[in-house]
Amino acid sequence: QVQLVESGGGVVQPGRSLRLSCAASRLTFSTYAMHWVRQAPGKGLEWVAVISYDGSNKYYADSVKGRFTISRDNAKNTLYLQMNTLRAEDTAVYYCARASNTLFGGFDIWGQGTMVTVSS
Amino acid sequence: AIQLTQSPSSLSASVGDRVTITCRASQGISSALAWYQHKPGKPPKLLIYAASSLESGVPSRFSGSGSGTDFTLTISSLQPEDFATYSCQQFNNYPLTFGGGTKVDI
Repeated sequence: QVQLVESGGGVVQPGRSLRLSCAASRLTFSTYAMHWVRQAPGKGLEWVAVISYDGSNKYYADSVKGRFTISRDNAKNTLYLQMNTLRAEDTAVYYCARASNTLFGGFDIWGQGTMVTVSS
Repeated sequence: AIQLTQSPSSLSASVGDRVTITCRASQGISSALAWYQHKPGKPPKLLIYAASSLESGVPSRFSGSGSGTDFTLTISSLQPEDFATYSCQQFNNYPLTFGGGTKVDI
């Protein structure tokens, strides 16, 4: 079964950094764009960032631009999110998601999510 | 950024009811819209893509319609497992955005 598994979440103090990972299995990881999406407690879904299949293009939400960096290692079938200068408002469950290759295809595979709590 | 406004934000319904949720975009997005179902403690599940295409494995009681700025998700006959939150998402341009969600409960 195709699977995405996030890791790296935890409790971190404001201003510190954290790196999330998303390991893909049983899917042709290197042919898909990949995204990070987050959901703060009691809030709706918020798109965070995308990286193209080959890593050549990246886009970010304004709320994380300049602080977060998305990257991928296709040899390791792994997606990353480097989060710097974390703020309390970054507290959320972070999901990695695969973008379908169908035009306007949506995010067809999601990980289970990893919780990030930013608190002193 | 394109804003997506969902209505209602919540609704109460019964098993067997027909449920309609709307999503309005702040500017035209063609058919670049998806619908998701999500439940507490689980990742979102893709239901509809390209505004009206049913994702593989999703029951046919779910349907989507619309283009441009106005979209609709319809559940023709609500089942017990459908009580959840539903969100729309636009893919027309970056930054991608989600609607605020519609919680469907009893």
